[in-house]
Amino acid sequence: GQSLEQPSEVTAVEGAIVQINCTYQTSGFYGLSWYQQHDGGAPTFLSYNALDGLEETGRFSSFLSRSDSYGYLLLQELQMKDSASYFCAVSLSGNTPLVFGKGTRLSVIA
Amino acid sequence: KAGVTQTPRYLIKTRGQQVTLSCSPISGHRSVSWYQQTPGQGLQFLFEYFSETQRNKGNFPGRFSGRQFSNSRSEMNVSTLELGDSALYLCASSKGTNTGELFFGEGSRLTVL
Repeated sequence: GQSLEQPSEVTAVEGAIVQINCTYQTSGFYGLSWYQQHDGGAPTFLSYNALDGLEETGRFSSFLSRSDSYGYLLLQELQMKDSASYFCAVSLSGNTPLVFGKGTRLSVIA
Repeated sequence: KAGVTQTPRYLIKTRGQQVTLSCSPISGHRSVSWYQQTPGQGLQFLFEYFSETQRNKGNFPGRFSGRQFSNSRSEMNVSTLELGDSALYLCASSKGTNTGELFFGEGSRLTVL
């Protein structure tokens, strides 16, 4: 079976940096995605890593280590609006569906 | 361009009934995936349709079914509803290539009483 592990909750202070980790055990691996979902909203795509290394998009960065089956999402200069759930998701080989983790609920406090 | 549209947004059914949910993907997207989301369980994959054919199927009972029309719009049906089917049903569209990027609708929130 496929499994993705990420912390269930994280709390961080406004203006700080937070890292949300994701480890995966899957049969096949193509890439790692991250999604953000606000309460009552739709999941929205943040980033995708198919190769090892760091991808930066504004305040958000995502990292992948294929050899460690590990990735993380880094959020810098946290803002209150970043309070949301964050999901990692694995693309397996070929045209297979994304497998999602259970999500990390991030609370940004003043 | 218009996003993914799901209807209805909210519905209440009773056990034993059936329900049909609709999804209109982004124009030009040929793949539509359905996910069930329940508190603390993340997103569970139901099925994916590509060019009117079911390309992938998750581990849900046969009470869950779907289809895709020639205009890429998709429907999913749940028959003989159970209390445990209460969830947010999310539809996502994509071009169908493996880029890790899905475009989600706001979802249909189903409550089974």
